[in-house]
Amino acid sequence: NAGVTQTPKFQVLKTGQSMTLQCAQDMNHNSMYWYRQDPGMGLRLIYYSASEGTTDKGEVPNGYNVSRLNKREFSLRLESAAPSQTSVYFCASSENLSSYEQYFGPGTRLTVT
Amino acid sequence: AQSVAQPEDQVNVAEGNPLTVKCTYSVSGNPYLFWYVQYPNRGLQFLLKYITGDNLVKGSYGFEAEFNKSQTSFHLKKPSALVSDSALYFCAVREATTSGTYKYIFGTGTRLKVLA
Repeated sequence: NAGVTQTPKFQVLKTGQSMTLQCAQDMNHNSMYWYRQDPGMGLRLIYYSASEGTTDKGEVPNGYNVSRLNKREFSLRLESAAPSQTSVYFCASSENLSSYEQYFGPGTRLTVT
Repeated sequence: AQSVAQPEDQVNVAEGNPLTVKCTYSVSGNPYLFWYVQYPNRGLQFLLKYITGDNLVKGSYGFEAEFNKSQTSFHLKKPSALVSDSALYFCAVREATTSGTYKYIFGTGTRLKVLA
């Protein structure tokens, strides 16, 4: 099992450009999450998906959109990137929303200039 | 709102010595507490959790954590540190949302450096 995979690993964007971060899990988990990690701020939840076909906002959803394409895949889109979105983005999954343990991908390091 | 605090940005310890990484929490009701570890260029990995029961919780890689309700703390400990334990450690609490789901609140992280 690969677990949770993310692409790309690194990305540099100019302000105003758009891009989609991809995430896939092969553990047959129902729930998936997108976090951003910034120095001194820990991880903050951007969006989550309780199950296929549903998505909900987390703590910091502004400037992002998500798509739960199927049970395996959960993508994060930046429509018009801003320097404030420079961060490391982590995708995670869990069996369901009430599960205690989340499984994290390796992260995508995004720089917006 | 629930929160966790990790008061130390970095902890240095000599290999073979005991280590402690501190976490305090602020919750309403019974806390569900977690520790995760992040190695360089990797995602977070689950170490252990406290839900209920014994205040001393054992987890992966020889780590344990002590839940102390009176001090609202959940410190991570290991009796003998290894150089390979050097990583970033996150404390987290699980919070119920108004929509009936759960979300995790993570602390700011503590970098552990074990010196050979």
